[in-house]
Amino acid sequence: QKEVEQDPGPLSVPEGAIVSLNCTYSNSAFQYFMWYRQYSRKGPELLMYTYSSGNKEDGRFTAQVDKSSKYISLFIRDSQPSDSATYLCAMSKWTDKLIFGTGTRLQVFP
Amino acid sequence: DVKVTQSSRYLVKRTGEKVFLECVQDMDHENMFWYRQDPGLGLRLIYFSYDVKMKEKGDIPEGYSVSREKKERFSLILESASTNQTSMYLCASHWGGGATNEKLFFGSGTQLSVL
Repeated sequence: QKEVEQDPGPLSVPEGAIVSLNCTYSNSAFQYFMWYRQYSRKGPELLMYTYSSGNKEDGRFTAQVDKSSKYISLFIRDSQPSDSATYLCAMSKWTDKLIFGTGTRLQVFP
Repeated sequence: DVKVTQSSRYLVKRTGEKVFLECVQDMDHENMFWYRQDPGLGLRLIYFSYDVKMKEKGDIPEGYSVSREKKERFSLILESASTNQTSMYLCASHWGGGATNEKLFFGSGTQLSVL
């Protein structure tokens, strides 16, 4: 079993839709949770960073962490075609290397 | 903004060749990383370095080596390229303070094909 599981998609939604992206994990020691966005032919870039449980909001993006369920989510409100990308979840323990999910490919069509 | 530059965007090599992938960062970051990215497998850590001339094995170091002679430059070496090393290679850097899980800055990647 992989430490981090992520549905690869692709996920195709119309412009304006609310998108929900999710990851599950098995290691209860993970404390730091991140979402990276990767456009085609580019490297990943950090989108959201959360420590421990709870929610974090940044514009149209909301990251949620539920440590009791070992489940993290990224919500995108009012999705735009420019949000079309692969979204990678990543997590780690203190001073330990990041463990990445395999990524979910999202396509937002006009 | 931090810039992480990988020397080649696309590279085609033959089996058995020695391959050098170069990465340079311009923000005086302490830590540098090499990942490979494959469909269905995600990003896997090959090697990383916390300081000049220091290196640590990641999860899949077999068939690779690295060199960090200067702080800004981290090279990945494939001693004898094989077809199963065909992949997207991503270099990343991190400033080095706090937890190593903080923001990584990635280059645009090198798509390597080994024929």
